[in-house]
Amino acid sequence: AQSVSQHNHHVILSEAASLELGCNYSYGGTVNLFWYVQYPGQHLQLLLKYFSGDPLVKGIKGFEAEFIKSKFSFNLRKPSVQWSDTAEYFCAVNAPGDSWGKFQFGAGTQVVVTP
Amino acid sequence: KAGVTQTPRYLIKTRGQQVTLSCSPISGHRSVSWYQQTPGQGLQFLFEYFSETQRNKGNFPGRFSGRQFSNSRSEMNVSTLELGDSALYLCASSSPGLYGYTFGSGTRLTVV
Repeated sequence: AQSVSQHNHHVILSEAASLELGCNYSYGGTVNLFWYVQYPGQHLQLLLKYFSGDPLVKGIKGFEAEFIKSKFSFNLRKPSVQWSDTAEYFCAVNAPGDSWGKFQFGAGTQVVVTP
Repeated sequence: KAGVTQTPRYLIKTRGQQVTLSCSPISGHRSVSWYQQTPGQGLQFLFEYFSETQRNKGNFPGRFSGRQFSNSRSEMNVSTLELGDSALYLCASSSPGLYGYTFGSGTRLTVV
């Protein structure tokens, strides 16, 4: 079955450490890619999105993601995390042929940043 | 600018009952999608509506239904509730050209 995979379910790191979260998808063709974040007690928020063009996408709060078509990957990065980055991160794919509002989400990665 | 508003925030229902959840999108947004979020299954797509038309439907039983009104507000209904329907139900809205959806805080449904 076609899917979206996030490599890690839980990540614990210290402030100022670098963060990289993996996301792979199994759809062929052109996909639209997103990363969403859910801070504790808050709603899902869009971090960044990729539709076409430069495969290195910059988002809010210092996050960036790189689309590697040959690897079917869309990994999220942040060079130096803060305690406030503690949240759950979701990769989402708008698959070929699907309407704009239909996303396939990964299982999420819970990130805990310790002081 | 007000965000996506979902009501009620919390709901407790008994097995066999039915429930209606409401979503008011951001002003000007005409596209609304619904998702179910559970610890075991994660985020799963339920429906998508645009200008009162259902554009897409996820793999949920017929007990799950939805609709969208002319003012873009949307409702979803679950009939004959089962324990497994306990979940956070999320609504998201967007407008053509925005290329991204804004999510509401959700309705937490507990079926007992």
